[in-house]
Amino acid sequence: QKEVEQDPGPLSVPEGAIVSLNCTYSNSAFQYFMWYRQYSRKGPELLMYTYSSGNKEDGRFTAQVDKSSKYISLFIRDSQPSDSATYLCAMSANSGNTPLVFGKGTRLSVIA
Amino acid sequence: GAGVSQSPSNKVTEKGKDVELRCDPISGHTALYWYRQSLGQGLEFLIYFQGNSAPDKSGLPSDRFSAERTGGSVSTLTIQRTQQEDSAVYLCASSRPRVEDGYTFGSGTRLTVV
Repeated sequence: QKEVEQDPGPLSVPEGAIVSLNCTYSNSAFQYFMWYRQYSRKGPELLMYTYSSGNKEDGRFTAQVDKSSKYISLFIRDSQPSDSATYLCAMSANSGNTPLVFGKGTRLSVIA
Repeated sequence: GAGVSQSPSNKVTEKGKDVELRCDPISGHTALYWYRQSLGQGLEFLIYFQGNSAPDKSGLPSDRFSAERTGGSVSTLTIQRTQQEDSAVYLCASSRPRVEDGYTFGSGTRLTVV
């Protein structure tokens, strides 16, 4: 079992839909959780950061962490064609500079 | 510069040749990471540099892979005797000491071994 599991998709939704992206993990020591967005032929960019359990909202994006279930989610409301990208979850057990463990990424297409 | 710069952006090499990939991180970022991204495999950690500490090489897949970081800034990833399975996008990232700041990635070097 990999440390972080993420459904690779692809996921295709109509413009305006609510999108739910998810990751599960096996290491209970993980407490720092991130979502990165990667456009084609570009490097990933940080989208959301959450520490421990709970929710965090930023505009159309909401990140949720459920440590008891080892499950994290990213919700995108009112999805736009510009949201079409690959979304990667990432996590770490330590607050310092230690390598993040990434999921495989979910490819999302938002159709106008 | 404003971002992480990687060169070359694309590299095609013959099997058995050596290649060098370069990463120029953001000034002031103390940590530098190399990851490899293959189709369907996600981001695979390779190596991590933090300040003057010994690098964490735990992700290097074989002794054909090595990396150095000179003067706490520019880093070079070297792959010797390249194999077809080395074909991937090699991504470099740098970061400040706080985990919540996340990584800033370069656009990567797309390596194709023929």
